[in-house]
Amino acid sequence: EAQVTQNPRYLITVTGKKLTVTCSQNMNHEYMSWYRQDPGLGLRQIYYSMNVEVTDKGDVPEGYKVSRKEKRNFPLILESPSPNQTSLYFCASSRRPQETQYFGPGTRLLVL
Amino acid sequence: SQQGEEDPQALSIQEGENATMNCSYKTSINNLQWYRQNSGRGLVHLILIRSNEREKHSGRLRVTLDTSKKSSSLLITASRAADTASYFCATGLGGSARQLTFGSGTQLTVLP
Repeated sequence: EAQVTQNPRYLITVTGKKLTVTCSQNMNHEYMSWYRQDPGLGLRQIYYSMNVEVTDKGDVPEGYKVSRKEKRNFPLILESPSPNQTSLYFCASSRRPQETQYFGPGTRLLVL
Repeated sequence: SQQGEEDPQALSIQEGENATMNCSYKTSINNLQWYRQNSGRGLVHLILIRSNEREKHSGRLRVTLDTSKKSSSLLITASRAADTASYFCATGLGGSARQLTFGSGTQLTVLP
């Protein structure tokens, strides 16, 4: 089954404790991205990747890092989380940047 | 400000009625897409319409695009309670843009 998976689905952490949210897709898509969703603000792109070892900033990259060492995986790293990073995070993939995006189920993060 | 803005922000209708949601955008686009999100879950792609198309259908969905007015509408006919969800438009900007830009969504409630 074609899918995008994210782990963990729910995470509660404390300020400053490094965390990683994993994302994996099985559709051989070249383009992957991370979004955060906050009430009233819609989805905002954090980072995207055009292919292996090619990443670029989206609209709200501050406080986040990503890597793309393999085509299927695109982890999101919060080196020192802060409460303003409390949000619902989505990973998505597609064949090309502006084509149909396939979304993961989301990761709900609470930073205390 | 965001590229795509949905209108209305919230819509409540009776089962069997039609639901119409609108999306306005500011700059030229390559395509416009509509997505559905059930509460707190990942977005699901509904339909993509390219800038040289004016109308597209998919089952009970009808999307129109008016590039002169920079607007699109999503019509759901004969709505069902299961259509209750948030609906987002996403625009693929023209030029060399590598992203989709999402609006803040319309919350549709279909009452049984």
